[in-house]
Amino acid sequence: GDSVTQMEGPVTLSEEAFLTINCTYTATGYPSLFWYVQYPGEGLQLLLKATKADDKGSNKGFEATYRKETTSFHLEKGSVQVSDSAVYFCALRPNSGGSNYKLTFGKGTLLTVNP
Amino acid sequence: DGGITQSPKYLFRKEGQNVTLSCEQNLNHDAMYWYRQDPGQGLRLIYYSQIVNDFQKGDIAEGYSVSREKKESFPLTVTSAQKNPTAFYLCASSLTGYEQYFGPGTRLTVT
Repeated sequence: GDSVTQMEGPVTLSEEAFLTINCTYTATGYPSLFWYVQYPGEGLQLLLKATKADDKGSNKGFEATYRKETTSFHLEKGSVQVSDSAVYFCALRPNSGGSNYKLTFGKGTLLTVNP
Repeated sequence: DGGITQSPKYLFRKEGQNVTLSCEQNLNHDAMYWYRQDPGQGLRLIYYSQIVNDFQKGDIAEGYSVSREKKESFPLTVTSAQKNPTAFYLCASSLTGYEQYFGPGTRLTVT
């Protein structure tokens, strides 16, 4: 079945450092890929998405590129801020077949940014 | 203001009691979902509904029940049959085939 593997956290960075959170997936066909962010005590917010190979999703300084050849969707940001401290989830959704409603999530990566 | 509301934010129950979590959306989305989140885990799908009066089991439906009588509402009942009900419960909605949007969650504690 489909699966998503994220780098294990926690990740601790200083403000203005470069961020990479790795995400790889296993799925048949060409799924859509997502990054969600969860701030403490809140629900998930969609951060960015990509629906086909070589697409780059971007939002709020975060970027991720859909790499079909390496089945990856790594999240990057050039300069993190304290306000970026949160849990980040990578997820996929099939684009065909009977399961095209279903999101499969990674386990999440806790990011802490220190001033 | 369009969005998804879940109530209450915190809920406490005694073991053996059923409890119902509310989820309402005014986004005119067709599909609605319930997820469970445990510490250090990803989200696991409990139930989903793609249309009014129809719903399907997700990966961990045992001990839970749902109804979908209105497009805007998708309440989740945690029954006494659920062995480990203490968790953070998240409701989501989407247009069919599009990204899911999440509510703020309900933290249920059963003692």
